[in-house]
Amino acid sequence: DQQVKQNSPSLSVQEGRISILNCDYTNSMFDYFLWYKKYPAEGPTFLISISSIKDKNEDGRFTVFLNKSAKHLSLHIVPSQPGDSAVYFCAALGGNEKLTFGTGTRLTIIP
Amino acid sequence: DAGVTQSPTHLIKTRGQHVTLRCSPISGHKSVSWYQQVLGQGPQFIFQYYEKEERGRGNFPDRFSARQFPNYSSELNVNALLLGDSALYLCASSFVSTGYTFGSGTRLTVV
Repeated sequence: DQQVKQNSPSLSVQEGRISILNCDYTNSMFDYFLWYKKYPAEGPTFLISISSIKDKNEDGRFTVFLNKSAKHLSLHIVPSQPGDSAVYFCAALGGNEKLTFGTGTRLTIIP
Repeated sequence: DAGVTQSPTHLIKTRGQHVTLRCSPISGHKSVSWYQQVLGQGPQFIFQYYEKEERGRGNFPDRFSARQFPNYSSELNVNALLLGDSALYLCASSFVSTGYTFGSGTRLTVV
């Protein structure tokens, strides 16, 4: 039972353009969402988060949008840079302090 | 300021053996969580400890156990290893319930 889904296993984007990574969830008890970036042989690195009481959070080149009615969130990276190439995980919290992760999207930025 | 440190970084064990993985949280963090990441999947929650008490347990067999010490470091123990236990084991520490910092993980290979 995959409660957090990232349906695109991979995404390629030209350098300088916008990268949009999507995430869907099924559990309406989730009230906090996080995006992590992971390089090979490293642990996930926190990028940005959003509470369910908001619909948008921005931090530099990274913006996360939350659509609660659709149970959907997205991460926008603009402009995309070669160093953004990594696997991106969406994760959700539902009050029990247990992170539920999606399966990840591999983002490749093409120079 | 040291981040979350995990040891060892890599480990090869034989089926049926026992393994102990170690984690030191960020100074001041009292909560430690363990996650298993199998290739191609997102991290899966195994345990959470706070102030040496187990606060949560994921859907893992009793072969998996953990503990937290007075200095907030933690050990994850896995008995009777199976080939399917081969994975990256991640430790995360947190100060507040939404701020999780991950270590680089221990890559366990069971042969």
